[in-house]
Amino acid sequence: KAGVTQTPRYLIKTRGQQVTLSCSPISGHRSVSWYQQTPGQGLQFLFEYFSETQRNKGNFPGRFSGRQFSNSRSEMNVSTLELGDSALYLCASSFTHSDEQFFGPGTRLTVL
Amino acid sequence: AQSVAQPEDQVNVAEGNPLTVKCTYSVSGNPYLFWYVQYPNRGLQFLLKYITGDNLVKGSYGFEAEFNKSQTSFHLKKPSALVSDSALYFCAVRDIPGTYKYIFGTGTRLKVLA
Repeated sequence: KAGVTQTPRYLIKTRGQQVTLSCSPISGHRSVSWYQQTPGQGLQFLFEYFSETQRNKGNFPGRFSGRQFSNSRSEMNVSTLELGDSALYLCASSFTHSDEQFFGPGTRLTVL
Repeated sequence: AQSVAQPEDQVNVAEGNPLTVKCTYSVSGNPYLFWYVQYPNRGLQFLLKYITGDNLVKGSYGFEAEFNKSQTSFHLKKPSALVSDSALYFCAVRDIPGTYKYIFGTGTRLKVLA
C-alpha cells in the first residue's frame, strides 16, 4: 500500500507570496491532518479534515487555510508568507480518530 | 489548557542499558496516547498507542510504554538500547472526548552510545 505523499518536497518563496502544499493520504484513510515542525516549537497542529469537513483547527492565523477533496486528498495554503513560516510541513492520515497517524515526508518551505 | 510535556530535550544511554523517555500530559477525559519516532531524514513513524485496557503496551522495535492515570504519564521504555534507536521521539495525546485535537510534545532526542 502506498504511503502518504506530499508535493512538492521543497519550496523557496519570498515574503508576501502565497504557497499551496498538497497531500495524498493512504488509500482508504479519510482523516488528514497538517502540522508545522520547527526546531524550537516541535510539532504544531494546524488543522484536521475528515470527509471534506474541517474537524479541528490549531492556533494559527487565518493566513493558514486548507481543504479536502472528495478523494481525501488535501491541500494547505499559506498566504502573505512571513519569514517565520519557514518550516517543515507534515501531513498525516489515519482511518479513524482512534488510529495512529501515518506521516508523509513533509514539504520543506523556506521563506526569504 | 491541554498540553503534553517531555521534560528532557535529550537522553543519553549506553548501548545495552535500559532506556526511558518521559511524557506527561494534561487533558480532560480519557485521552488516547501515542509515541512516534523520527529518524534522521525520515518521516515520523508510529511506535505504539494506548487507548484502553492493560496499562503496559508493547510496540514496534521492542519498545513499550506504561500508562499511569494517577500520574498522567506515559513513559516510553526499552529494556536494552541499541545504537540504531538513536532518534527523535515524540509523545502525542488525542483529546477524546473533547476537542479531538492531536497534541504533540516537543520531542526528546535519544542518543545511544556504543
